[in-house]
Amino acid sequence: AQKVTQAQTEISVVEKEDVTLDCVYETRDTTYYLFWYKQPPSGELVFLIRRNSFDEQNEISGRYSWNFQKSTSSFNFTITASQVVDSAVYFCAGGGATNKLIFGTGTLLAVQP
Amino acid sequence: DGGITQSPKYLFRKEGQNVTLSCEQNLNHDAMYWYRQDPGQGLRLIYYSQIVNDFQKGDIAEGYSVSREKKESFPLTVTSAQKNPTAFYLCASSIRLGTSGVSGANVLTFGAGSRLTVL
Repeated sequence: AQKVTQAQTEISVVEKEDVTLDCVYETRDTTYYLFWYKQPPSGELVFLIRRNSFDEQNEISGRYSWNFQKSTSSFNFTITASQVVDSAVYFCAGGGATNKLIFGTGTLLAVQP
Repeated sequence: DGGITQSPKYLFRKEGQNVTLSCEQNLNHDAMYWYRQDPGQGLRLIYYSQIVNDFQKGDIAEGYSVSREKKESFPLTVTSAQKNPTAFYLCASSIRLGTSGVSGANVLTFGAGSRLTVL
């Protein structure tokens, strides 16, 4: 069975600090896909990134970066120079050959001004 | 603009009543999903449909029912058999597996959600 673990329930930082959100995805599949979504207070989940298990290159998009390490099943998300607008719940999710995604329990990020 | 519309945004229900949540998409997606979100439990899959007139149970289907008569619409009925229906419900859609050469789990586009409270 697949399992997504986000051990950090809540994180609070001060604006301009860097912050890393952890995610561990456990599966027996050799090919799988990992995702990060952002849920602002409005409630709608916003897609951030999709990676497959064959691509271990780090990805950078503006202030966001992602580090995937297959050996530890981790897919961590770093926000550099955090801003108040980054305050949200962040979900990690994983899926295999089907379209069914398994979500983690989410990490609530609070960025204080 | 293309997207997913969920209605109503807030809904109150008395115990023993059925209630239907609406989900409409104009993204031309074949696949649609219903997730339930509870505090501290993340998102759990209720039902999903890969194509019109076909749907499958997710991890927590008991007490819920769906229909998929049109590509654009995937309504969810919360029945009186659902013992703890108070939750935030999210509808999502995606392209179907194998479409456009994309293999494996696809990106989900979500609606803004419906918050159901049982009084």
